[in-house]
Amino acid sequence: DTVMTQSPLSLPVTPGEPASISCRSSQSLLHTNGHNYLDWYLQKPGQSPQLLIYEASNRASGAPDRFSGSGSGTDFTLKISRVEAEDVGVYYCMQGLQTPYTFGQGTKLEIK
Amino acid sequence: QVQLQESGPGLVKPSETLSLTCTVSTGSISGYYWTWIRQSPAKGLEWIGYVHSIGSTHYNPSLSSRVTISLDTSGNQFSLKLKSVTAADTAVYYCARSLWGYAFDLWGQGTMITVSS
Repeated sequence: DTVMTQSPLSLPVTPGEPASISCRSSQSLLHTNGHNYLDWYLQKPGQSPQLLIYEASNRASGAPDRFSGSGSGTDFTLKISRVEAEDVGVYYCMQGLQTPYTFGQGTKLEIK
Repeated sequence: QVQLQESGPGLVKPSETLSLTCTVSTGSISGYYWTWIRQSPAKGLEWIGYVHSIGSTHYNPSLSSRVTISLDTSGNQFSLKLKSVTAADTAVYYCARSLWGYAFDLWGQGTMITVSS
């Protein structure tokens, strides 16, 4: 199985400041079609995960434009341009290239 | 607006079969991958498997000997059966929807399943 490793595991951020989360996969997520099969999800407290980014850099419908994804191969980044209070929760990356799909261990974003 | 709702027993005895149903509130089941995912403190988020609207299935090899996911198109539902459960199967179980297999754009609220005698 592909192992997904996120860093940091905890991320305290001041509102209005940017934030960045890293995700590394044990195998390349770059398909021969040129797409990277990497999703980002946010699980707010007490809620189900919600899709933010798919295929590494495509924002999901309804995801705020302050969220952006980048990266290719085995190294990926989720960036929040200006953190808002509603962004608190746990962020997960997930690889969708090969089944079984696998998730990172999560990064908990909290407001300072 | 489409919603997913899991339903299940809450408590299952060891060695028994866990049965969960996910109801799709409106719209068609056609054209999507209908997925089960679970979350536990020990294992985090774990993809269990999916059934596509045409009936094909794919399971996590770690669970494939015990799991069945099936579709009930007439009832706009899909279900999960996990047999021979142990305490390690205690988790919140989510149903989810995808157009391509990954990128789950719609999730149920989740249902807590405890395996205990």
